[in-house]
Amino acid sequence: SAVISQKPSRDICQRGTSLTIQCQVDSQVTMMFWYRQQPGQSLTLIATANQGSEATYESGFVIDKFPISRPNLTFSTLTVSNMSPEDSSIYLCSGRTDMNTEAFFGQGTRLTVV
Amino acid sequence: GEDVEQSLFLSVREGDSSVINCTYTDSSSTYLYWYKQEPGAGLQLLTYIFSNMDMKQDQRLTVLLNKKDKHLSLRIADTQTGDSAIYFCAETAGRRALTFGSGTRLQVQP
Repeated sequence: SAVISQKPSRDICQRGTSLTIQCQVDSQVTMMFWYRQQPGQSLTLIATANQGSEATYESGFVIDKFPISRPNLTFSTLTVSNMSPEDSSIYLCSGRTDMNTEAFFGQGTRLTVV
Repeated sequence: GEDVEQSLFLSVREGDSSVINCTYTDSSSTYLYWYKQEPGAGLQLLTYIFSNMDMKQDQRLTVLLNKKDKHLSLRIADTQTGDSAIYFCAETAGRRALTFGSGTRLQVQP
């Protein structure tokens, strides 16, 4: 099984600033995804991180607000831009090695915007 | 699109069995998962089942899959207070991301 290291684990940020969250996987994964979990809610998919090309965003999420990079098969970043208190959530990255395999998750980044 | 539904809350007494239910809509789902999330913690993968199976047992956990009814359940035998958490059901097919249910909060009464 793969291990995903996500950092920072938590942060408190001022509104209007940006935060970049990093995910490092200890082995190559075919697919990587970014999720948001708002307080008391389930996980909502933000986007699929595509290696070497632009991420594929879900409805309601845009690249200007959540730019994503994935330079190789083991690393991805998510930036939360121009933050507002509504962005306060847990952000999680996930990876899968192939179609019929387990999905692994990072420990999440607990973001509070003040 | 894909949809996954769970009941929101379950309360059991310590030592009893807990059964958490989940229904999904996508008949092409190939992998179904159960995750546990404790307060302030990340997601812990408990178990998963491939769609060509109808049951999987792992120590105190039993997963039952009724593919015809698109119904998944997680049974926890001899439930302990440490099992109190939110349990998420999730499904996927092909290369797409997991779709999660709303989560079931399990409360274990001593």
